Amino acid sequence: DVKVTQSSRYLVKRTGEKVFLECVQDMDHENMFWYRQDPGLGLRLIYFSYDVKMKEKGDIPEGYSVSREKKERFSLILESASTNQTSMYLCASSLRIGGVNQPQHFGDGTRLSIL
Amino acid sequence: AQKITQTQPGMFVQEKEAVTLDCTYDTSDQSYGLFWYKQPSSGEMIFLIYQGSYDEQNATEGRYSLNFQKARKSANLVISASQLGDSAMYFCAMKRGGSQGNLIFGKGTKLSVKP
Repeated sequence: DVKVTQSSRYLVKRTGEKVFLECVQDMDHENMFWYRQDPGLGLRLIYFSYDVKMKEKGDIPEGYSVSREKKERFSLILESASTNQTSMYLCASSLRIGGVNQPQHFGDGTRLSIL
Repeated sequence: AQKITQTQPGMFVQEKEAVTLDCTYDTSDQSYGLFWYKQPSSGEMIFLIYQGSYDEQNATEGRYSLNFQKARKSANLVISASQLGDSAMYFCAMKRGGSQGNLIFGKGTKLSVKP
């Protein structure tokens, strides 16, 4: 069965800290994604990657960076956490082949609070 | 610009009745895919159903069906015989043809099923 695992369900950090959110998928998917979800705004794409060491900016990349050293792992990094980065973070993966009909499979999400 | 609109922030339905969740989209692409996801209060995003822009038949998946009206650019989700476990947020999303798999999400509809 499809499995996307995010390292933490809940995380509390302090302003200015460097924060790492980890995501691992076991489906050999080429594409991986990081979203943040805020009430009333839906899901917004932060970064995505379609191959190892490749990354592309999404709609709201400011204040974030990513790392993809291995195919199965995609990390989101908050370089210097700020309170406006308090949010729910969702990781997803999908196959690249097949065009438009490949769904994204999501992890359970990480609720991050920056104090 | 690509856009997904869900005009119903919240919906109520009686258990065992059918309910339709609205979704309209805006795109100039000829090839695209439309998806519906369910997000229970626990946070995970669950893929429900997919419709391709070239599909002539409406997609169905168990109690879920997608009412696809291409000329109107609408892709409404129909849930038949609602169950208490259907209470959740529902998101409509669109994938552009030729993209690396990026999804554009609507802001969601919160469905509450009443016993």
